Amino acid sequence: KAGVTQTPRYLIKTRGQQVTLSCSPISGHRSVSWYQQTPGQGLQFLFEYFSETQRNKGNFPGRFSGRQFSNSRSEMNVSTLELGDSALYLCASSLDSRGPGYTFGSGTRLTVV
Amino acid sequence: GQNIDQPTEMTATEGAIVQINCTYQTSGFNGLFWYQQHAGEAPTFLSYNVLDGLEEKGRFSSFLSRSKGYSYLLLKELQMKDSASYLCAVRALDNYGQNFVFGPGTRLSVLP
Repeated sequence: KAGVTQTPRYLIKTRGQQVTLSCSPISGHRSVSWYQQTPGQGLQFLFEYFSETQRNKGNFPGRFSGRQFSNSRSEMNVSTLELGDSALYLCASSLDSRGPGYTFGSGTRLTVV
Repeated sequence: GQNIDQPTEMTATEGAIVQINCTYQTSGFNGLFWYQQHAGEAPTFLSYNVLDGLEEKGRFSSFLSRSKGYSYLLLKELQMKDSASYLCAVRALDNYGQNFVFGPGTRLSVLP
């Protein structure tokens, strides 16, 4: 069974640009959550989607947004990129939003120059 | 707010036992997770505790005390491949859904 797939794996963008990251969850999983990981701040929760609805949002500015499609695939968008947005962006999926066993994708490493 | 504390680094010897502690403060607690993350890789799910007590899974065990806001991950018969960061994460429910808070991670080095 395929795991969580994130694309692209690596991305270099310029300050001020916008970027869209994609996450395909494990087949049958309806919950997708996104995280930002940096050496200084560790893993921080961005938002969680379940059945196309955003269930919760972490403490990030409005430049960070996301959505989930009917097939449970999710996208995350960051507008007006800043140098500090350079990070590993991880998504995780699970069958529902209340159970254990979230599976992470390999992440997208974003570098803003 | 929510806060999670873990030791930053630990070192242990191959074949030994190591205990990684995690303390947390949160409202709406709805589960504590432990993840393993090797450098440059995604976190891998290790264990989940929602009720007090010990959960054992092979060489790994996790304990939770909700009244004390405390958990630990116990690794037995340490192997070199266990060198990794171990992340404690707490899930909390509020009126809007759920939120995950991750601890800073504990970097474990297993020495021969």
